[in-house]
Amino acid sequence: NAGVTQTPKFQVLKTGQSMTLQCAQDMNHEYMSWYRQDPGMGLRLIHYSVGAGITDQGEVPNGYNVSRSTTEDFPLRLLSAAPSQTSVYFCASSLGTGSTEAFFGQGTRLTVV
Amino acid sequence: EDQVTQSPEALRLQEGESSSLNCSYTVSGLRGLFWYRQDPGKGPEFLFTLYSAGEEKEKERLKATLTKKESFLHITAPKPEDSATYLCAVQAGKTSYDKVIFGPGTSLSVIP
Repeated sequence: NAGVTQTPKFQVLKTGQSMTLQCAQDMNHEYMSWYRQDPGMGLRLIHYSVGAGITDQGEVPNGYNVSRSTTEDFPLRLLSAAPSQTSVYFCASSLGTGSTEAFFGQGTRLTVV
Repeated sequence: EDQVTQSPEALRLQEGESSSLNCSYTVSGLRGLFWYRQDPGKGPEFLFTLYSAGEEKEKERLKATLTKKESFLHITAPKPEDSATYLCAVQAGKTSYDKVIFGPGTSLSVIP
């Protein structure tokens, strides 16, 4: 089991560029989510999915899109990058958000200049 | 508004010096409280889930406890390898897919 795999690990974008952060899990988990982590603010939920074809917004969804065409993959798209999106992004998966542990990827450090 | 705070922000301990980290929360309808450990450059790693006041869980030198308003992570005789950021998170709401709210974390350094 690879767990949760995120690519790329590092990325630098220019303002206005678009890109997709990839996330894949091999644990057959229903629930997947994307967080951003900024100093002193903790992890904040961007979008989540409770299964293939079902997505919903989290706390800070503006500027990000997601889709879930398969159980395994949950990509995060930045349509027009802004400096405020400079952050570390984590993808996580779990059987559910309730009492089950979440497995996190290694993170993507994104810098928008 | 649902909120999770952690204290202290940073903690330096000598090896073997026991201490506690605090996680305070204000949510309606707590379903679970989670503790994670995060090493630099890595994603958070699950430690514990606590469900109700009075519950305790242990793993090696770590012990987590829960009251109606806060949780403590007690570290007994810490070693340098316990150095990490410890994150607390709570889940509240009525469905199993309600969001989890994370605190900002406590950065722990254990000095040999």
